[in-house]
Amino acid sequence: DAGVIQSPRHEVTEMGQEVTLRCKPISGHDYLFWYRQTMMRGLELLIYFNNNVPIDDSGMPEDRFSAKMPNASFSTLKIQPSEPRDSAVYFCASSLGGQAYTFGSGTRLTVV
Amino acid sequence: GENVEQHPSTLSVQEGDSAVIKCTYSDSASNYFPWYKQELGKGPQLIIDIRSNVGEKKDQRIAVTLNKTAKHFSLHITETQPEDSAVYFCAASPKAAGNKLTFGGGTRVLVKP
Repeated sequence: DAGVIQSPRHEVTEMGQEVTLRCKPISGHDYLFWYRQTMMRGLELLIYFNNNVPIDDSGMPEDRFSAKMPNASFSTLKIQPSEPRDSAVYFCASSLGGQAYTFGSGTRLTVV
Repeated sequence: GENVEQHPSTLSVQEGDSAVIKCTYSDSASNYFPWYKQELGKGPQLIIDIRSNVGEKKDQRIAVTLNKTAKHFSLHITETQPEDSAVYFCAASPKAAGNKLTFGGGTRVLVKP
């Protein structure tokens, strides 16, 4: 298995632009998580899905952030409009049964 | 919600020595405690986990201990090697929180040859 695949690996965008991060979980996994990592705040859970249904989005910072999981093999995290404080590494993770996460390699987002 | 504190934030050890990282959690309902290793430019990787019905678990050079009464758990790495240099994260998951993991702040471990 190729593991959890995230794209792009790096994204540099201007403030105000829309950013879409993509994730392909491990086949057969029924949970998908989006985390954000910064030096100041560490690893923060943004949202997670179970069987493609959003279960808890309480970590989504504000309405500028949205996430979807249209099917079991694909999820997106969208930021619109982006701001410099959104700069971080965004990780997607998947698991079978909700524990023992497998993380992707992350997307490093820089908003200038 | 759950709060996980991790210490120390940095740890420097000589190759061959042991390293110990400690975490405390706040929610007594937490029942799953994984440890992740993150190398530069990569995502965190699960290295060992323990559930609340077990006090200790070992896997080769790494071991985790859990004290439910005191609400703390620790990672022990013996005979450290340069490739153990990384950032290590503990995490906890309360039953009531579904399957959300709350992570500690991380420990940067440097193994000096």
